[in-house]
Amino acid sequence: SQTIHQWPATLVQPVGSPLSLECTVEGTSNPNLYWYRQAAGRGLQLLFYSVGIGQISSEVPQNLSASRPQDRQFILSSKKLLLSDSGFYLCAWSDDNRIWPQHFGDGTRLSIL
Amino acid sequence: KNQVEQSPQSLIILEGKNCTLQCNYTVSPFSNLRWYKQDTGRGPVSLTIMTFSENTKSNGRYTATLDADTKQSSLHITASQLSDSASYICVVSAGSSGSARQLTFGSGTQLTVLP
Repeated sequence: SQTIHQWPATLVQPVGSPLSLECTVEGTSNPNLYWYRQAAGRGLQLLFYSVGIGQISSEVPQNLSASRPQDRQFILSSKKLLLSDSGFYLCAWSDDNRIWPQHFGDGTRLSIL
Repeated sequence: KNQVEQSPQSLIILEGKNCTLQCNYTVSPFSNLRWYKQDTGRGPVSLTIMTFSENTKSNGRYTATLDADTKQSSLHITASQLSDSASYICVVSAGSSGSARQLTFGSGTQLTVLP
């Protein structure tokens, strides 16, 4: 069966520090991968999605970047965090050719101090 | 601009009672609609997905309805249980080109079920 792992679960970082969040999927190949951010009282916002290794689509101008070094690995990064980067970050995947994120990870709660 | 509005923002009910959550959307052209359940501190889990031609779809105690004419959907929960306490998110897809950017997420209804 397919599983998705996301870590860390919680993270507290100072302003200006770097960030690396990792997501891995097991039990499937060539998945579509997604990074979403969920702010309190707001709907999920699509940050990045990827249909294959090295293929990244960015949805909003921001302080973040994403990479897909392996088929089932998706990484969210930042060189210098801003206060506005605080939020709940969710990784998700779907089968090839489907746009709906079928399965979500359990998220990373990021707090910027 | 595509929008999805959910109501109420929060709801408290007693265990065993029924409830209905609302979703109004202004997404065009409409493709399909999905309800997710999100437990606190977890990722969302899909409950139902409805296409343009479907009016009602059930998943256990959850029943979703869709009125494409009025652009409204509802999620009815029957005989609520404590484990139903969660945020319920309505998501609407526009168009048919298959891009993730076509999804519009509602901000969710926070349901609390009390014993």
